[in-house]
Amino acid sequence: EVQLVESGGGLVQPGGSLKLSCAASGFSFSDSAMHWVRQASGKGLEWVGRIRSKTNNYATAYAASVKGRFTISRDDSKNTAYLQMDSLKTEDTAVYYCTRMTLIPDDFSLDFWGQGTLVTVSS
Amino acid sequence: EIVLTQSPDFQSVTPKEKVTITCRASQSIGSSLHWYQQKPDQSPKLLIKYASQSFSGVPSRFSGSGSGTDFTLTINSLEVEDAATYYCHQSSSIPRTFGQGTKVEIK
Repeated sequence: EVQLVESGGGLVQPGGSLKLSCAASGFSFSDSAMHWVRQASGKGLEWVGRIRSKTNNYATAYAASVKGRFTISRDDSKNTAYLQMDSLKTEDTAVYYCTRMTLIPDDFSLDFWGQGTLVTVSS
Repeated sequence: EIVLTQSPDFQSVTPKEKVTITCRASQSIGSSLHWYQQKPDQSPKLLIKYASQSFSGVPSRFSGSGSGTDFTLTINSLEVEDAATYYCHQSSSIPRTFGQGTKVEIK
């Protein structure tokens, strides 16, 4: 069974940092690209960024709203993806989901999602 | 950035009625369009990938169609459990984007 479990959310002051983790199980994590998507309360889904597999040189990409402030990484030995968030702003307040890209070749859909972790940026 | 625009934003529907949600892309994305269902306090779940392919385990009343810039999600014979917000999502280019969502309420 595919499982994605996020952790690390909490309350942080504007300008502060937070690092989220996404622990994966039930599939070949090292072969999968991992994405982060966020959702502010009562709002829609916003793509944050992604990291590809070792085969694809761990390539990363980010939304313009977080580029230069957020960094996605992964540790395949721990089956875990990370989202390092620096210079946080109040508008970064949201539930953050990790989601995996399907392992089917040439299929870029996001097929399984974690339960999310809440990040609140407030003074 | 590819903008996805869904319509309507909200729909109130009686059980067994047919629901149609559209998603229009600001430029052609081929068939790289996916649909998700999100129920309150839950994470999104994949329903349809690549415009018309049903994801494993999804009830057959959910179907998708379209290509290029215009896409449709259809729910045939709506059930009470289908009350949710539905999002379209494109994987054609980075940054990935989502539609604003369509909330389906049961009358």
